[in-house]
Amino acid sequence: DTEVTQTPKHLVMGMTNKKSLKCEQHMGHRAMYWYKQKAKKPPELMFVYSYEKLSINESVPSRFSPECPNSSLLNLHLHALQPEDSALYLCASSRLRLGTYEQFFGPGTRLTVL
Amino acid sequence: GIQVEQSPPDLILQEGANSTLRCNFSDSVNNLQWFHQNPWGQLINLFYIPSGTKQNGRLSATTVATERYSLLYISSSQTTDSGVYFCARAGGSQGNLIFGKGTKLSVKP
Repeated sequence: DTEVTQTPKHLVMGMTNKKSLKCEQHMGHRAMYWYKQKAKKPPELMFVYSYEKLSINESVPSRFSPECPNSSLLNLHLHALQPEDSALYLCASSRLRLGTYEQFFGPGTRLTVL
Repeated sequence: GIQVEQSPPDLILQEGANSTLRCNFSDSVNNLQWFHQNPWGQLINLFYIPSGTKQNGRLSATTVATERYSLLYISSSQTTDSGVYFCARAGGSQGNLIFGKGTKLSVKP
């Protein structure tokens, strides 16, 4: 099974709302990632968790708060977002053994901030 | 920094035609992946190919790591092949990917 699941598929929120995106994988992968993709652009890295610890934060604004409760789950908490944060948010996972970095992506959450 | 360049940026084909997509990268890789992004945004893994040649049905890929490029071949294209094709390589020891800008493929019936 090479499946990464994400919920919700679509999310519309106001600038004062608090919401969370959820990602889950059961492949035993120890690295999990959040990417952000704007229209007609490639995905860009936001955060990396390896062995449930935050290892990379690509200078993401604090209104995005990641959390890794266990090795299978990854959350992205959203608060006080701006309309320019509207995008497709993709979660991914991979092994961390050299030579086996193949990454698998979830279907994404399409976020609209009003 | 690490760069990934894809060409062509856009490609329009008639159904049944063959095509070659190219990915150049700025330094040596130990991870090179090709993805197809469908109209709903899902990134579908096509190949994990840091070197060598692989085939999967009508698709095949070749990476020549010493010359820093990878090619994706699509034969007998179908309308369902339409979408954006990305190549991506690992940017560091955490496996995070750096993507090229993609090739947008449109296959006309």
